[in-house]
Amino acid sequence: TQLLEQSPQFLSIQEGENLTVYCNSSSVFSSLQWYRQEPGEGPVLLVTVVTGGEVKKLKRLTFQFGDARKDSSLHITAAQPGDTGLYLCAAKRGGGSNYKLTFGKGTLLTVNP
Amino acid sequence: SQTIHQWPATLVQPVGSPLSLECTVEGTSNPNLYWYRQAAGRGLQLLFYSVGIGQISSEVPQNLSASRPQDRQFILSSKKLLLSDSGFYLCAWRPGPTATGELFFGEGSRLTVL
Repeated sequence: TQLLEQSPQFLSIQEGENLTVYCNSSSVFSSLQWYRQEPGEGPVLLVTVVTGGEVKKLKRLTFQFGDARKDSSLHITAAQPGDTGLYLCAAKRGGGSNYKLTFGKGTLLTVNP
Repeated sequence: SQTIHQWPATLVQPVGSPLSLECTVEGTSNPNLYWYRQAAGRGLQLLFYSVGIGQISSEVPQNLSASRPQDRQFILSSKKLLLSDSGFYLCAWRPGPTATGELFFGEGSRLTVL
């Protein structure tokens, strides 16, 4: 069974601080995604990474895919209360015929004003 | 543009009662469709997925079932709800077997079984 371990499970910080959350596995993935979910809503896709070592930036968010494509990190610079939410990583093994994503349990981030 | 809707948004049902949650995707054809359950605002558990009309794959044996009567319609059902069926149910779609597999989620349906 492939597992995605996310850490930390919970993170509470003050506005303006920087933070990094992690998504780790012993399996190799063909692609990995990060989603953000706000309370009472469905997850929203933030980014997809596919190449080992790839770095993508989305405003104050920086996503990195590990060289071996087994892990990923999300770094937020100068966090704002609007960044509050559950951050989920999800990964897919194999090619296009694989219909299923594996989700981590998420990091619940609270940014206090 | 593509949109996905699911309803009802909130449901409170007694134990032993039936369930029907509906999901509809617009603006695309032949999508892959998924039902997930999320407990206590945490990780997502895949329940069912469908790659076409009438084609349903079950991931977890339980008292839930799914059907896809039309290309863009996905229904989650139960004949008799259990307390353990409470949770946040999410419908999702993706445009066929894409290489990277990104999913697009509906707004979710909160089910409370009493």
